Amino acid sequence: QITLKESGPTLVKPTQTLTLTCTFSGFSLSTSGVGVGWIRQPPGKALEWLALTYWNEDKRYSPSLKGRLTITKDTSKNQVVLTMTNMDPADTATYYCAHWLQQVRRFDPWGQGTLVTVSS
Amino acid sequence: DIQMTQSPSSVSASVGDRVTFTCRASQGINNWLAWYQQKPGKAPNLLIYSASSLQSGVPSRFSGSGSGTDFTLTISSLQPEDFATYFCLQANAFPLTFGGGTKVEIK
Repeated sequence: QITLKESGPTLVKPTQTLTLTCTFSGFSLSTSGVGVGWIRQPPGKALEWLALTYWNEDKRYSPSLKGRLTITKDTSKNQVVLTMTNMDPADTATYYCAHWLQQVRRFDPWGQGTLVTVSS
Repeated sequence: DIQMTQSPSSVSASVGDRVTFTCRASQGINNWLAWYQQKPGKAPNLLIYSASSLQSGVPSRFSGSGSGTDFTLTISSLQPEDFATYFCLQANAFPLTFGGGTKVEIK
């Protein structure tokens, strides 16, 4: 059974850097075809894809946020870390991580999500 | 970027109704389309991938169809647990993009 769980601060101040950790089980990020992605959802709004890291060291980022995002993986710890710099109140959202299967290009399953509020 | 447009943005329906909503891509996406259901306060749940493949464990009343730029999700007989918001995701090209969602409400 694949599970993922996000962790990190619930409140950050504007201009600060957000660091979120996705801890997963039930799969290995060294297995061909596997990835972990980050997606966010502002309150009451649609989903927005942020970043994706693959088994083979490839990484992809949302162009609208590129420059602010860094995604890294620790295969031995079964963790993926997303950092987002220069946080703004507009970045207030629930942040999800999700398992990615390249052969069918789908996110499944997702973590429960973590709400991050950006406020001074 | 590929824009994903979902319609309608909301629909009111009754238990037992057949409901269909659409997702239109701004360019062809080679059937790399997934549908997700999301209930309030919960993470999205995968229903359909590759435009028409039913995810394991998802009831057969859900079906997906379409190709190229136009895709549909159909619920053949709406059940009480189906009242939720539905999102599409295109995975043909980066950046991956989601539709704005269709909310299914009780009539």
